[in-house]
Amino acid sequence: GAGVSQSPSNKVTEKGKDVELRCDPISGHTALYWYRQRLGQGLEFLIYFQGNSAPDKSGLPSDRFSAERTGESVSTLTIQRTQQEDSAVYLCASSPLGLVGNEQFFGPGTRLTVL
Amino acid sequence: AQSVTQLDSQVPVFEEAPVELRCNYSSSVSVYLFWYVQYPNQGLQLLLKYLSGSTLVESINGFEAEFNKSQTSFHLRKPSVHISDTAEYFCAVSVRAGGFKTIFGAGTRLFVKA
Repeated sequence: GAGVSQSPSNKVTEKGKDVELRCDPISGHTALYWYRQRLGQGLEFLIYFQGNSAPDKSGLPSDRFSAERTGESVSTLTIQRTQQEDSAVYLCASSPLGLVGNEQFFGPGTRLTVL
Repeated sequence: AQSVTQLDSQVPVFEEAPVELRCNYSSSVSVYLFWYVQYPNQGLQLLLKYLSGSTLVESINGFEAEFNKSQTSFHLRKPSVHISDTAEYFCAVSVRAGGFKTIFGAGTRLFVKA
């Protein structure tokens, strides 16, 4: 079956522009996560969706970041007025139940470069 | 708050030598522990996990990790590495405390030399 897919794979943008990153989770996975991975650093949690529950947005670094999810399918991460420090790989992962202890299945990531 | 520390950013090792990648965590609640691996130009994938029960867990490709509660560690070991083990390894901690969150370490780049 298909894994988690993300698009675009690479995005280069100018400072101040808005960008949208897309994640298609594995079908049937109720939980979806966004992480940010800066060069040489670990994964930084951004946001977590679990079914119809209110998302956990505690990791979003500023109000320029937002994310939406349609039901239990596609999610988009939006970064408004991008800054150079937003440059990173943005990873999406999904999980079948969203319970602690469940394996997360990762997409290939979107590499964002802000000039 | 929970945190994960991977003490080595890079570990170079010769093929067929043993290796240990260190991971320590801090948490005031019970944890679930994971090692993920990211091979060059590939996405992260689960290597092994500790949820409960036996403190020694193994992967299908010869890695093992032992949960040590007293030392708050979950070190990853392999007695004899292969060139194909060259990758970045991430230790992760999940907790059930109100909401849900997985905290990842900064990663350890394992480089296996011939």
